[in-house]
Amino acid sequence: DAGVIQSPRHEVTEMGQEVTLRCKPISGHNSLFWYRQTMMRGLELLIYFNNNVPIDDSGMPEDRFSAKMPNASFSTLKIQPSEPRDSAVYFCASSFLRGVNTEAFFGQGTRLTVV
Amino acid sequence: KQEVTQIPAALSVPEGENLVLNCSFTDSAIYNLQWFRQDPGKGLTSLLLIQSSQREQTSGRLNASLDKSSGRSTLYIAASQPGDSATYLCAEFSGGYNKLIFGAGTRLAVHP
Repeated sequence: DAGVIQSPRHEVTEMGQEVTLRCKPISGHNSLFWYRQTMMRGLELLIYFNNNVPIDDSGMPEDRFSAKMPNASFSTLKIQPSEPRDSAVYFCASSFLRGVNTEAFFGQGTRLTVV
Repeated sequence: KQEVTQIPAALSVPEGENLVLNCSFTDSAIYNLQWFRQDPGKGLTSLLLIQSSQREQTSGRLNASLDKSSGRSTLYIAASQPGDSATYLCAEFSGGYNKLIFGAGTRLAVHP
């Protein structure tokens, strides 16, 4: 397996524009996590899906953020409208939940810059 | 609320030293605990996973332990090398939803 795949790797956009980040989890994994990493706040869990269903979205900072998982092999995180303070590295991770979650694997991240 | 704390925040050691990184967590209902390594500008690489029924895991020069009763995990690195320089993060799967929550990390520098 190629691991967790995120795209794009880098995104530069202007304030007010819509941004969509994409994630393909490891085949067979049924848990998917979206994180945001900044120097000030470290790794923050934004949203957690299990079997394509959002289980906990309490970390989503504002209504400008939304996430979907239409099937087991694809998820998106959308920011609309984007703001400079959204600039960060966004990571996607997946694991397999059977009673408890097993080892989590991370993608390489998307570095978002909003100017 | 799940909270994970890592001490120290930064560590600088000469090559060859054995060192211990600490991780503490507040949720006693922890399921698994995982240690990661992150190089600057890169993603997270999984190092070790300790399941709740286990007390430790070993991989090469790395050994991680888990003490649920005290809410602590330690990552032991033997004979440190400059290539070990990175940020080390611990994360716990806990809570009713099995969320994965991270500590702030320990930034390690091993100098020749």
